[in-house]
Amino acid sequence: EVQLVESGGGLVQPGGSLRLSCTASGFTLSAYSMNWVRQAPGKGLEWVSQITGSSTRRDSAESVKGRFTISRDDARNSLYLQMSRLRVEDTAIYYCARENYDPSYGYYLFDHWGQGILVTVSS
Amino acid sequence: EIVLTQSPATLSLSPGETATLSCRASQSVSTYLAWFQQKPGQAPRLLIYGASIRAAGIPGRFTGRGSETEFTLTISSLQSEDFAVYYCQKSDNWPPLTFGGGTKVEIK
Repeated sequence: EVQLVESGGGLVQPGGSLRLSCTASGFTLSAYSMNWVRQAPGKGLEWVSQITGSSTRRDSAESVKGRFTISRDDARNSLYLQMSRLRVEDTAIYYCARENYDPSYGYYLFDHWGQGILVTVSS
Repeated sequence: EIVLTQSPATLSLSPGETATLSCRASQSVSTYLAWFQQKPGQAPRLLIYGASIRAAGIPGRFTGRGSETEFTLTISSLQSEDFAVYYCQKSDNWPPLTFGGGTKVEIK
């Protein structure tokens, strides 16, 4: 069974740093691109960052570029999001999501998500 | 950056009715469009990818259509468990992988 479990969230002051982890099980992490998606309280979904297999490509939303860094350790079955210079508007539930590829049709799909972890940025 | 606009923001319907949700892209995304369902306190759940392909385990009452810039998600004969928020997403593996603002389907 595919499982994704986020950890590392909590309360942090503006300007502070936090590192989120996502532990994967039930599949070979290295074979997949992985993403972080966040959701501010009462708001919609916002894609945050993507890392492809073997870390060949990383990209982030403009809202976090230069402050957040996505990384992975396939040997530890783990995905990370290093967040620095945090702002109040970064307060959200952060989800990790697996990006699968359907070769029959040639499409990508976010087929498995973690339960999410809350990050609160407040003084 | 491609922007996805969903409408309406809220849809008030009764069980058994049909829901039609719209997602409009500011530029063509071909058929690289996915739909997700999210219930309170839960992670999003993939319903449709490739604009019209139902994900594993998704009931046939969920139908996705469209291409380029105009997409719809139709939920036939609404069941109690279908009342939720629905999001569309650009899903071409080329960031940013933006989401629409969401449509809430609520019980009338």
